[in-house]
Amino acid sequence: DAKTTQPPSMDCAEGRAANLPCNHSTISGNEYVYWYRQIHSQGPQYIIHGLKNNETNEMASLIITEDRKSSTLILPHATLRDTAVYYCIVRPYSGAGSYQLTFGKGTKLSVIP
Amino acid sequence: GAVVSQHPSRVICKSGTSVKIECRSLDFQATTMFWYRQFPKQSLMLMATSNEGSKATYEQGVEKDKFLINHASLTLSTLTVTSAHPEDSSFYICSARAPSGSIAKNIQYFGAGTRLSVL
Repeated sequence: DAKTTQPPSMDCAEGRAANLPCNHSTISGNEYVYWYRQIHSQGPQYIIHGLKNNETNEMASLIITEDRKSSTLILPHATLRDTAVYYCIVRPYSGAGSYQLTFGKGTKLSVIP
Repeated sequence: GAVVSQHPSRVICKSGTSVKIECRSLDFQATTMFWYRQFPKQSLMLMATSNEGSKATYEQGVEKDKFLINHASLTLSTLTVTSAHPEDSSFYICSARAPSGSIAKNIQYFGAGTRLSVL
């Protein structure tokens, strides 16, 4: 899997947008960007994934740069329940290596009242 | 998203006993399930990959005779920690991978985790 680099921690005011960056400069053409989050003492939760186009779902938006070397996860209106560790992971969508997720240290997002 | 149920959520046992943890995919058939372990303030580490009807594939450094994995059906995988010792105390998490072409689109969905404390 391509390595990712994320800031260890970030703060965000409640109600504001949380923008979490991720660098994946060695990403391959067949690798997708996945985002998961882990709220304290729970299993990780899938958020969103994308290849090269920007993606949006009910939880978040994913913005991938044109060269695909970095991406940003956007939580449009952060709430206290969004406080968690956010993991950015790249891996192939199918074929060899597509089954496993390799978790780094992630970004600990603290949403402040 | 798809639902993965993990049971029990917490278990306390004496040293030397065995503990079984169940992982069920509730609304999809999972040909592949995964078992992770997470120590305090650390990230998740993959222990093994479990394929339905075949032997699990263990990551380097994980003792297969100590961590027994059974994936007898498309909706159930079990992890048995045999002869548990205090150093096995950890947070164990399973995940299930929905097959390609399903609504879940090849995404891994995680259980809530099992906190094992060995006294």
